[in-house]
Amino acid sequence: GEDVEQSLFLSVREGDSSVINCTYTDSSSTYLYWYKQEPGAGLQLLTYIFSNMDMKQDQRLTVLLNKKDKHLSLRIADTQTGDSAIYFCAESKSGGYNKLIFGAGTRLAVHP
Amino acid sequence: EAGVAQSPRYKIIEKRQSVAFWCNPISGHATLYWYQQILGQGPKLLIQFQNNGVVDDSQLPKDRFSAERLKGVDSTLKIQPAKLEDSAVYLCASSLRNSRVGSTEAFFGQGTRLTVV
Repeated sequence: GEDVEQSLFLSVREGDSSVINCTYTDSSSTYLYWYKQEPGAGLQLLTYIFSNMDMKQDQRLTVLLNKKDKHLSLRIADTQTGDSAIYFCAESKSGGYNKLIFGAGTRLAVHP
Repeated sequence: EAGVAQSPRYKIIEKRQSVAFWCNPISGHATLYWYQQILGQGPKLLIQFQNNGVVDDSQLPKDRFSAERLKGVDSTLKIQPAKLEDSAVYLCASSLRNSRVGSTEAFFGQGTRLTVV
């Protein structure tokens, strides 16, 4: 089946690292994504990882994938107030028509 | 590069009325998605087009929702008649499917916020 779960809320201090977690149930998922949504805006793709990878780093963002446990995380280093947003985890399968399944989102609040 | 355009941005209607949303995807993008995002939830796929053909509409309430993508470009999503529970943000997205890589970088519009009263 298709199900993506995330914790709903995370609060961090400015300058600290944030870790947002996600679990998924479909073992055939090929790509996993992190999207960011700011108030009143659409979703913006931050990064994605192919299922045969364990880790992907892109500037302040680090994605870790544990395929055995179907667990995905997004680490944001040196979190800034501009990082305050809702972060969505999503999965899709290669082949077919790449249907994207989203989690409910994690609201990240960054305070001074 | 212009992004995904949606209109209107906001719409308030009474229950049982009809409403239509319009989406213009990024030029050249073959895949177009309509998502419904209820407050506090993640986006839920309503319908997915590949060019002008429907490839997934399994979660579209077909008794009241309809969508079309004429000529494989613009798309409209219609609700007739609307119910209170249809209040949500309707997001349109498009992607240029890369068959070599297989990843889906979907670009989202700003959405249409629908309030049914």
